[in-house]
Amino acid sequence: AQTVTQSQPEMSVQEAETVTLSCTYDTSENNYYLFWYKQPPSRQMILVIRQEAYKQQNATENRFSVNFQKAAKSFSLKISDSQLGDTAMYFCAFSQLEYGNKLVFGAGTILRVKS
Amino acid sequence: EAQVTQNPRYLITVTGKKLTVTCSQNMNHEYMSWYRQDPGLGLRQIYYSMNVEVTDKGDVPEGYKVSRKEKRNFPLILESPSPNQTSLYFCASRQGGLPNTEAFFGQGTRLTVV
Repeated sequence: AQTVTQSQPEMSVQEAETVTLSCTYDTSENNYYLFWYKQPPSRQMILVIRQEAYKQQNATENRFSVNFQKAAKSFSLKISDSQLGDTAMYFCAFSQLEYGNKLVFGAGTILRVKS
Repeated sequence: EAQVTQNPRYLITVTGKKLTVTCSQNMNHEYMSWYRQDPGLGLRQIYYSMNVEVTDKGDVPEGYKVSRKEKRNFPLILESPSPNQTSLYFCASRQGGLPNTEAFFGQGTRLTVV
């Protein structure tokens, strides 16, 4: 079965600093997709970044980047120059065709950015 | 504007009283699904639909029903709600057949069953 593990229930970071959120997953397949979603206090789910497993290059979106280690089944999210608006719950998620395109989510990490 | 509209946003009900949470999307997506979010468990899939009249169970389907009579709508039905169904519910849609596509989520429904 697919599983996604986020081992950090809560984290905090000072404004303008860098923080890394961890995620590991389990699958026996080679072709799959990984995502980070952000859920601010408004509850809206927002896609932050996505990574295709067959691409070796790590995805980046402005201040957000990932460290994708396929052999280790690790997919961490790095947020640079943290801003107060980054305060949110962050979910790591996994999807693959063989499982009906279902998104499998981790338990989430609450990130608090302090001024 | 591309969106998934879910209603109501908040609902308090009593055990056993049937309720429906509506979900509608305007992106012509084939794939729609329902998730529940609980502390420490993340989001878990309840039911999904690959297209009109095609639905299937997700990971936690007990106590729920769905229907997909039109492409844009995917209501979630609790025929006899129980307190263990108190949760935050999300409807989502994705372009069908493509596991790399972005999922668009509704605003969430906070359900309390007393």
